[in-house]
Amino acid sequence: DSGVTQTPKHLITATGQRVTLRCSPRSGDLSVYWYQQSLDQGLQFLIQYYNGEERAKGNILERFSAQQFPDLHSELNLSSLELGDSALYFCASKPGLGNEKLFFGSGTQLSVL
Amino acid sequence: GQNIDQPTEMTATEGAIVQINCTYQTSGFNGLFWYQQHAGEAPTFLSYNVLDGLEEKGRFSSFLSRSKGYSYLLLKELQMKDSASYLCAVRKTDSWGKLQFGAGTQVVVTP
Repeated sequence: DSGVTQTPKHLITATGQRVTLRCSPRSGDLSVYWYQQSLDQGLQFLIQYYNGEERAKGNILERFSAQQFPDLHSELNLSSLELGDSALYFCASKPGLGNEKLFFGSGTQLSVL
Repeated sequence: GQNIDQPTEMTATEGAIVQINCTYQTSGFNGLFWYQQHAGEAPTFLSYNVLDGLEEKGRFSSFLSRSKGYSYLLLKELQMKDSASYLCAVRKTDSWGKLQFGAGTQVVVTP
């Protein structure tokens, strides 16, 4: 158990819908990262927050947004869902912005039908 | 940007040794990580190299050559449970700590 909690574990929805994925980082970790992993693809960095502020953006679509709340949990919002958004979404956390290793949650499997 | 290349799949026999290579092209290199990921599960940390040389941790070792943009992960005394995807990831300076991952190498251990 990495200490990073993601909910829900599985999500099945239809095209055009909107969903929210939730992540609770390890106790004390201020940095949260979101990654997307599609079938047969590597982990693609989406966005990063540190202590409530957005710090870096990767290949995140405009239909996607995220935030980190004062209690440090984070949410990833996916809207106007398309079939191609079906993927495993991981949240990872670490204490700060240095060279610490990332701890990953168990992911949310999103299926868009 | 940066390119991270690793083989797609490798097969080895239980008890054997397998070496997974990773090459990368990046400016501002600030460390290379190896993660293990079983199908449908979270990636778990295996090793970290920032200086040239070999880091050994039990049955797993990782090597880095910064001048060549090259790393390898060595798995010794392979066990069936080592069947998984192995991800090479690079961190750049001024990247707020984020990791850029390769596509992963699927290792299949056969009896």
